[in-house]
Amino acid sequence: GEDVEQSLFLSVREGDSSVINCTYTDSSSTYLYWYKQEPGAGLQLLTYIFSNMDMKQDQRLTVLLNKKDKHLSLRIADTQTGDSAIYFCAEMTGGFKTIFGAGTRLFVKA
Amino acid sequence: DGGITQSPKYLFRKEGQNVTLSCEQNLNHDAMYWYRQDPGQGLRLIYYSQIVNDFQKGDIAEGYSVSREKKESFPLTVTSAQKNPTAFYLCASSPRQGLGLYGYTFGSGTRLTVV
Repeated sequence: GEDVEQSLFLSVREGDSSVINCTYTDSSSTYLYWYKQEPGAGLQLLTYIFSNMDMKQDQRLTVLLNKKDKHLSLRIADTQTGDSAIYFCAEMTGGFKTIFGAGTRLFVKA
Repeated sequence: DGGITQSPKYLFRKEGQNVTLSCEQNLNHDAMYWYRQDPGQGLRLIYYSQIVNDFQKGDIAEGYSVSREKKESFPLTVTSAQKNPTAFYLCASSPRQGLGLYGYTFGSGTRLTVV
């Protein structure tokens, strides 16, 4: 069935790069997303990538997509304490349903 | 400013009570969704609606009910049949299912606790 998996925790030092990884199972996915959730809040759409793209860059964020391995990553350059949050990977399947991963909690140490 | 508003932010329910969570959007979005979030788990879809007066069950609809009488509003009722309702509930909207580049707009959530 459809599933999105990501590791639950990541800890980095302030100023380093963070890389959050995600794997998905539906090969007919059209869009893949990264959302950010701060404590006690809803999710905010950070960025998306269309399934025919390999890479998308948006300021400090770089998204890489490996369709062959069904692997998506989010790189945050120069990670700041304000980047501490939960990051959710999500895919829009061929049936226009959006499936979310469990979220990766990013800790940024000063 | 356009957005999606959930209320209340915190809600306490006694055993055996029904409670209703409010979700209102002024984004003119056609589709609205309810998700449940538990620690360490992904978002699980409870119900969704693509147009007024129509809605479909998601993956965990048992013990919940919804209505969609107006485009702007999609309230969720947690009934006494829901045995483990303590969770964080998120409402979301999108222009229409299938318009992927817009993603979803989420509300700020309601934390429901059974006392």
